[in-house]
Amino acid sequence: GENVEQHPSTLSVQEGDSAVIKCTYSDSASNYFPWYKQELGKRPQLIIDIRSNVGEKKDQRIAVTLNKTAKHFSLHITETQPEDSAVYFCAASIVSGTYKYIFGTGTRLKVLA
Amino acid sequence: NAGVTQTPKFRVLKTGQSMTLLCAQDMNHEYMYWYRQDPGMGLRLIHYSVGEGTTAKGEVPDGYNVSRLKKQNFLLGLESAAPSQTSVYFCASSYGEKAFFGQGTRLTVV
Repeated sequence: GENVEQHPSTLSVQEGDSAVIKCTYSDSASNYFPWYKQELGKRPQLIIDIRSNVGEKKDQRIAVTLNKTAKHFSLHITETQPEDSAVYFCAASIVSGTYKYIFGTGTRLKVLA
Repeated sequence: NAGVTQTPKFRVLKTGQSMTLLCAQDMNHEYMYWYRQDPGMGLRLIHYSVGEGTTAKGEVPDGYNVSRLKKQNFLLGLESAAPSQTSVYFCASSYGEKAFFGQGTRLTVV
């Protein structure tokens, strides 16, 4: 069935360094890839997304890259700050029909001051 | 505009009891979803709906039922709760690509 693998499960970086989280999806029909940030005890919040007809998208300090051939996409956070500490989830979806989202298992990012 | 609202926020059930979780959205979204979140396992899809009157099974549907009688509401039912259903439950809705989540319901089954 459909599957999204996410790595690493935990990531610690020094403040100001970059962080990279990687995901791989199994369903070649997937064409929409959102990233969610979840702070402790809060709901997941959409931070950036990308569609399959785009290779890269950037929004200030965060960016997402997509390699459709390898079925691989990544989240890049530059100049990390303590408030970036959270759990990040990737997801894959098919933008038609069901719009069903399959999520990765999450990455706990700790930014050390 | 409240977005996606879940009730209740917390609940403790005894094994074998039943309950219904309510998800309400005021964004006129067609699609609605129920996920459960367990440590180390991310968000797993229980059931979803692509419109009023429709429901479909997700990754982990066993032990749960759902109904979507009104477009704005998506109900998740547990007929006979089991300790394995202890989890945080999130409802979400979307108008296509972007999904918005409710604040979650923490359910403990003892």
